[in-house]
Amino acid sequence: GDKVKQSPSALSLQEGTNSALRCNFSIAATTVQWFLQNPRGSLINLFYLVPGTKENGRLKSTFNSKESYSTLHIRDAQLEDSGTYFCAAVMPNYNVLYFGSGTKLTVEP
Amino acid sequence: GPKVLQIPSHQIIDMGQMVTLNCDPVSNHLYFYWYKQILGQQMEFLVNFYNGKVMEKSKLFKDQFSVERPDGSYFTLKIQPTALEDSAVYFCASSSDWNYAEQFFGPGTRLTVL
Repeated sequence: GDKVKQSPSALSLQEGTNSALRCNFSIAATTVQWFLQNPRGSLINLFYLVPGTKENGRLKSTFNSKESYSTLHIRDAQLEDSGTYFCAAVMPNYNVLYFGSGTKLTVEP
Repeated sequence: GPKVLQIPSHQIIDMGQMVTLNCDPVSNHLYFYWYKQILGQQMEFLVNFYNGKVMEKSKLFKDQFSVERPDGSYFTLKIQPTALEDSAVYFCASSSDWNYAEQFFGPGTRLTVL
């Protein structure tokens, strides 16, 4: 089954509002990355996390390894935040990023 | 941030032909990866590579696939022969270390097999 379950699969936000995306891991993850795939298809690195929390501008991400989940919080959503957000995790003993299925975010005026 | 480049951005070929996808990783990185994303689907790991060797590969990395990085030039993925199901976007990534290291991705090569 899926090692990384990402939710929601799609999300529509009004400009200026806040939301959170979540990934649950079926087995213990060692590190987590969050990406934004823009409409051209490029992957933009947002966060790289060992367990803990990082913040960058309007984005904040937490990785809780004990409870096997990670979250990405978006504050004051802007139109340019639209795109597909992916989480990905490395599991023990393999140097492989296992990706979630993505959250397609649409920010509307 | 660190940049990974991929050439070409698009490639269209006929089934059965050979194709080589090229990746220019981040300059001081030694660990390289290929991932495959079929349109609208999840990104999936193909292979990782270090010091001239394949370290790990998935079941998607078929016998027709091979990777190499001759003497610090491009890290390449070769498919010979190609099949219709190889149509996808192929992403290259690199990292500075094996464990606990961020992977940086290129913009992808969109491969269409006709």
